[in-house]
Amino acid sequence: GQNIDQPTEMTATEGAIVQINCTYQTSGFNGLFWYQQHAGEAPTFLSYNVLDGLEEKGRFSSFLSRSKGYSYLLLKELQMKDSASYLCAVVDSNYQLIWGAGTKLIIKP
Amino acid sequence: ETGVTQTPRHLVMGMTNKKSLKCEQHLGHNAMYWYKQSAKKPLELMFVYSLEERVENNSVPSRFSPECPNSSHLFLHLHTLQPEDSALYLCASSQDLDTHTGELFFGEGSRLTVL
Repeated sequence: GQNIDQPTEMTATEGAIVQINCTYQTSGFNGLFWYQQHAGEAPTFLSYNVLDGLEEKGRFSSFLSRSKGYSYLLLKELQMKDSASYLCAVVDSNYQLIWGAGTKLIIKP
Repeated sequence: ETGVTQTPRHLVMGMTNKKSLKCEQHLGHNAMYWYKQSAKKPLELMFVYSLEERVENNSVPSRFSPECPNSSHLFLHLHTLQPEDSALYLCASSQDLDTHTGELFFGEGSRLTVL
């Protein structure tokens, strides 16, 4: 079966750095997405990786290793507004999106 | 107007009721989706429409009935639901069906409670 694993919940301190991991076992790979979802709001696109390496976008970076079936989302200079759920999703060989259950990130002052 | 709008935001219904969820997108996209989001579970894709034609139905019970009258509107008709159907129902759109490169734009969801 296909599976996406990410931690259920993480806690970090305002101003610090946090890394949210995502490992996947899917039938093929055609890209990986990260979405952010604040409580009671719509998920919004953060990043898309299809090649190995690090993609940086402001305070957020996303890393991919296809050989390891692994990605992470790195959030720097954490702000209270970064408290949200972070969803990892992989595009499989049939171009279907396979979703993880999401990681709830709690930022403390 | 915001990109993808869903109504109602909250809905409580009994198991014998009939209700509908509405989704409207103002982005000029060609593909629209219904997802079910339950607590601590992955998003479940329910239905996919491309240019108003249903292209995917992921083994969803017949008590859920989608309708796409045009490329901007999507409905989910609900009847004789079960308590386990209580969840957040998210509508999304994308420029085309090729979600492997294009991002999804989600609405804020309709929180459904079945009593």
